[in-house]
Amino acid sequence: AQSVTQLDSHVSVSEGTPVLLRCNYSSSYSPSLFWYVQHPNKGLQLLLKYTSAATLVKGINGFEAEFKKSETSFHLTKPSAHMSDAAEYFCVVTFSMFSGGYNKLIFGAGTRLAVHP
Amino acid sequence: DTGVSQNPRHKITKRGQNVTFRCDPISEHNRLYWYRQTLGQGPEFLTYFQNEAQLEKSRLLSDRFSAERPKGSFSTLEIQRTEQGDSAMYLCASSPRTRGTTDTQYFGPGTRLTVL
Repeated sequence: AQSVTQLDSHVSVSEGTPVLLRCNYSSSYSPSLFWYVQHPNKGLQLLLKYTSAATLVKGINGFEAEFKKSETSFHLTKPSAHMSDAAEYFCVVTFSMFSGGYNKLIFGAGTRLAVHP
Repeated sequence: DTGVSQNPRHKITKRGQNVTFRCDPISEHNRLYWYRQTLGQGPEFLTYFQNEAQLEKSRLLSDRFSAERPKGSFSTLEIQRTEQGDSAMYLCASSPRTRGTTDTQYFGPGTRLTVL
């Protein structure tokens, strides 16, 4: 069975300081992992994805995440927070039974990021 | 804008009424997914279409729920005899079929259902 645990429901940072959103996953198969962001009244937007290539994945808006198999983690980081980063962030796991197969995404409960001036 | 669109964006209904939502995927995306998101939770998978074929349904999708994708283009999700527990955001996503890699799902803005 697959599952995702986001370790913090709320994270608050000051503008210009680093961001760390933590995610642990459980998967019986080689997983694909994603981070999505959801701004109020807007759709889910893909930040980045890991699919068994490089373990350090760079995404949009300066975000990156590192896949650590030994720790079953996929934490999201950003060196310097911006006010516009305030949103809900979801860590997501999935796998395909076969290459190129469809994927039903399994979402974590989300982490709400607040950025203060 | 050629993203995923959903209509209506908001729906308020009384318990026991039927409601129908529509999703228009990105053009030429043959995969279409429905998810449901309740307050304070991440989205949960409901069902998947490949072209017009519904290939998987979650146990969350009770007999009161039905989804269709005629002609493999837009999709509709109908809820019959709505209950207050059906109140949620219903999200649609689409993706192209890819070979050798995990597809990326692109989400619409969602339809927020409130059952009074």
